[in-house]
Amino acid sequence: GAVVSQHPSRVICKSGTSVKIECRSLDFQATTMFWYRQFPKQSLMLMATSNEGSKATYEQGVEKDKFLINHASLTLSTLTVTSAHPEDSSFYICSASWGTEHQPQHFGDGTRLSIL
Amino acid sequence: GQNIDQPTEMTATEGAIVQINCTYQTSGFNGLFWYQQHAGEAPTFLSYNVLDGLEEKGRFSSFLSRSKGYSYLLLKELQMKDSASYLCAVRDSNYQLIWGAGTKLIIKP
Repeated sequence: GAVVSQHPSRVICKSGTSVKIECRSLDFQATTMFWYRQFPKQSLMLMATSNEGSKATYEQGVEKDKFLINHASLTLSTLTVTSAHPEDSSFYICSASWGTEHQPQHFGDGTRLSIL
Repeated sequence: GQNIDQPTEMTATEGAIVQINCTYQTSGFNGLFWYQQHAGEAPTFLSYNVLDGLEEKGRFSSFLSRSKGYSYLLLKELQMKDSASYLCAVRDSNYQLIWGAGTKLIIKP
């Protein structure tokens, strides 16, 4: 159980393109979804937390207008990287949790974004 | 500030036992998680501790001492596939998950 699907797994695109990443909880209702980015050999960095039906809470230093998050249902959240530039190239990972605070976060497989 | 400390890298031999330590200083405590992350992949959940003591799950065990702000992950009968990074994460009083930088475990034959 607790399967989180993330799509696409890899994106290569030109600078200035907007890229949408989807995160789906397949066998549970995710009350909260999280978006992380991870640079090579570095730890996970939380970008934002989203609850279904409400606006995402962004971490300090993360641009809301650049990283648009939509959590329209209990099983789907999307992250759109708008007007991506080479410095946005990174490994983006979503996770989801449900129920009580004792539940772990379950991660999608991640999206490797490369901006040329 | 909030801080999670774990060794950057450890090396162990196939078939042996290794202990990865994690110490934390956080504003409140609502549980500690261990995750495994293979290179280029997303983390996978290993264990959760919220009360003091040892939680055993197959070859992996996790220990917690809240008074000492300390946890360890114990891996027994090491296999080559256990080569990965191991991430310690603590949930603080606001239920935010604070992540350690991870310990890269290298298993040698």
